[in-house]
Amino acid sequence: KNEVEQSPQNLTAQEGEFITINCSYSVGISALHWLQQHPGGGIVSLFMLSSGKKKHGRLIATINIQEKHSSLHITASHPRDSAVYICAAGGMYTDKLIFGTGTRLQVFP
Amino acid sequence: DAGVIQSPRHEVTEMGQEVTLRCKPISGHDYLFWYRQTMMRGLELLIYFNNNVPIDDSGMPEDRFSAKMPNASFSTLKIQPSEPRDSAVYFCASRLPGGKAFFGQGTRLTVV
Repeated sequence: KNEVEQSPQNLTAQEGEFITINCSYSVGISALHWLQQHPGGGIVSLFMLSSGKKKHGRLIATINIQEKHSSLHITASHPRDSAVYICAAGGMYTDKLIFGTGTRLQVFP
Repeated sequence: DAGVIQSPRHEVTEMGQEVTLRCKPISGHDYLFWYRQTMMRGLELLIYFNNNVPIDDSGMPEDRFSAKMPNASFSTLKIQPSEPRDSAVYFCASRLPGGKAFFGQGTRLTVV
């Protein structure tokens, strides 16, 4: 069993839909990271959070430390949101990140 | 700041050749990470540095891989000799202590 698991692996949506991507982890963490990778492109760090909720534009990330679960929400999805979204757990006593396998999102107009 | 800068963006080389990937971190960032991304294994940490010192190289696949950070503004990842299974996208990332990671655009390596 992977230490960081994401679901779903693939997700398609129509423009305007509300999207949720889930991440569960089994290790103790100092922070949970959400990353975005566009096709053929670099990786952008969207959020780093250790409790509660963070919001940036149409993106919202939440974390429940007790349940070891985080979600990334996209409101009013747009085709430019099409990308791979990766969650990564930052260890408690290490500087390393443990990555999930990613969720491939396609938003159609 | 221009962000994390990697070069080259693309590299095609023949099996057995030496390959050197380069990274310039964001100025002032104490941490530098080298990652490899493949379809099969996703993102994997190869090695990371703190204040130019290698801290953990347990992800380096084998002795053919080596990494250096001679100063705070430059790091290299070298593969010698290269093999087709080394084909991947290699990312460099830097960050401040406890901060978000900033990734370079990656180097797409193809070994034929």
